Amino acid sequence: GAGVSQSPSNKVTEKGKDVELRCDPISGHTALYWYRQSLGQGLEFLIYFQGNSAPDKSGLPSDRFSAERTGGSVSTLTIQRTQQEDSAVYLCASSGTSRANYGYTFGSGTRLTVV
Amino acid sequence: DQQVKQNSPSLSVQEGRISILNCDYTNSMFDYFLWYKKYPAEGPTFLISISSIKDKNEDGRFTVFLNKSAKHLSLHIVPSQPGDSAVYFCAASASSGGSNYKLTFGKGTLLTVNP
Repeated sequence: GAGVSQSPSNKVTEKGKDVELRCDPISGHTALYWYRQSLGQGLEFLIYFQGNSAPDKSGLPSDRFSAERTGGSVSTLTIQRTQQEDSAVYLCASSGTSRANYGYTFGSGTRLTVV
Repeated sequence: DQQVKQNSPSLSVQEGRISILNCDYTNSMFDYFLWYKKYPAEGPTFLISISSIKDKNEDGRFTVFLNKSAKHLSLHIVPSQPGDSAVYFCAASASSGGSNYKLTFGKGTLLTVNP
C-alpha cells in the first residue's frame, strides 16, 4: 500500500486478556519497527525487524510481549495477559534502509486501552 | 534515564511569528538528529534532520540548529502558520555501536499557532 497500515485503530480490552496488533508496512520496506507512546511520554522503542536477520527485541518491556514478522512483510505484536500499564498508542514504522538517519514512515497507530 | 529531553511540554505563538522548539540530549554517541511532527490520531511524520557534521539545516520555513558542545538543538519555524499546530518530537540516532537503526525520542512539545 501507499503507507503503513495498522489495525485495529482502537482496542479496548479487559485486564488479563491477550491482544494482537497488526502492521502492514510499505511494500518493499525491509526494516520494520514497533514503538509505543504512553501518556505524557515520548516514543519508546520496542522491537526491530530487518530482512531475515534476528530481530532486536531489547525494547520489549516484559515476556508478555512478543512480535513476529511473517514473510518479511506483515507483523503482529502480541501482548498476553494485558495490564493497565500496557495502555498506550502502539506505533509501527517501516523504512527502506536499516539506518535511522533517513527517518521512518509511521502508521497511525493502535490506541490500546486496558480496563 | 532520558537521553533526549524536550523540556517545554507546550508552546503558543501568534501566526506569522517565529516558533522555536528546543531539545537537549545527553548521549555523546548521537550523531544524527531528526524532528517529527504529529497531528492527533495520526502517526508522526518526518520533518527535517541534521547530521552532527553540520550546525544548520534549512528546508523552507523550517530550520534546525545544532550546538554539539552544548548538546542542544532547536527547530525554528518562520513564519508560523495555524497548520503548524501539532506535537513536535525530537529524535536522535547513533551511527556507531550497532544500533544505528534505533531512534531515541523526546516527550514532544505541543505547538499551538494562534490566528
